[in-house]
Amino acid sequence: QVQLVESGGGVVQPGKSLRLSCAASGFTFSNYGMHWVRQAPGKGLEWVAVIWDDGSNEFYADSVKGRFTISRDNSKNTLYLQMNTLRAEDTAVYYCARINTVMVEYFFDYWGQGTLVTVSS
Amino acid sequence: DIQMTQSPSSLSAYIGDRVIITCRASQSIGRSLNWYRQKPGKAPNLLIYAASSLESGVPSRFSGSGSGTDFTLTISNLQPEDFATYYCQQSYHTLVTFGQGTKVEIE
Repeated sequence: QVQLVESGGGVVQPGKSLRLSCAASGFTFSNYGMHWVRQAPGKGLEWVAVIWDDGSNEFYADSVKGRFTISRDNSKNTLYLQMNTLRAEDTAVYYCARINTVMVEYFFDYWGQGTLVTVSS
Repeated sequence: DIQMTQSPSSLSAYIGDRVIITCRASQSIGRSLNWYRQKPGKAPNLLIYAASSLESGVPSRFSGSGSGTDFTLTISNLQPEDFATYYCQQSYHTLVTFGQGTKVEIE
């Protein structure tokens, strides 16, 4: 069965860095694009970043561009999110999600359970 | 960026009710619209993709319609597990965006 398991969250001071991981299993990881989506406490879903299945392209939300980097290691079936220069407003639960496609349409068919990042002094 | 606006932001309903949630895109997105349900403390799960296709394993009381800029999610015969928050999402553009969410509460 498909599983996505995030890790790496925690409490970090403003301006510091953190790296999140998302371990994938139950499917051929290298065949799927992957996203990070976050949710601040009590708020809605905010898309963060996407990476192509082969890692050839990546895109970011304006709110994290230049500070966050999405990457993947297909040999380890793992997705990463390197978060630098963290701000209080980056406090959120971070989810990884798998893209699936039908014809030309795509959607997130599997999500991890989320990992909480708290940015506070 | 494509803005997604859901209405209402919240609603109250009874078990067995029919509920309709709408989602409007700031520009035409064809049928590139997905719906998710999120229960408290849990990750979202996919209900409807490509505006009207029911995800495998999702009960048939969920249905979606629309194209272009206006979309609806209909929940017929509301069940206890349906009291949750619902999000629409456009996947027309690589930089996907979500609606602000609609919270469905017990009347």
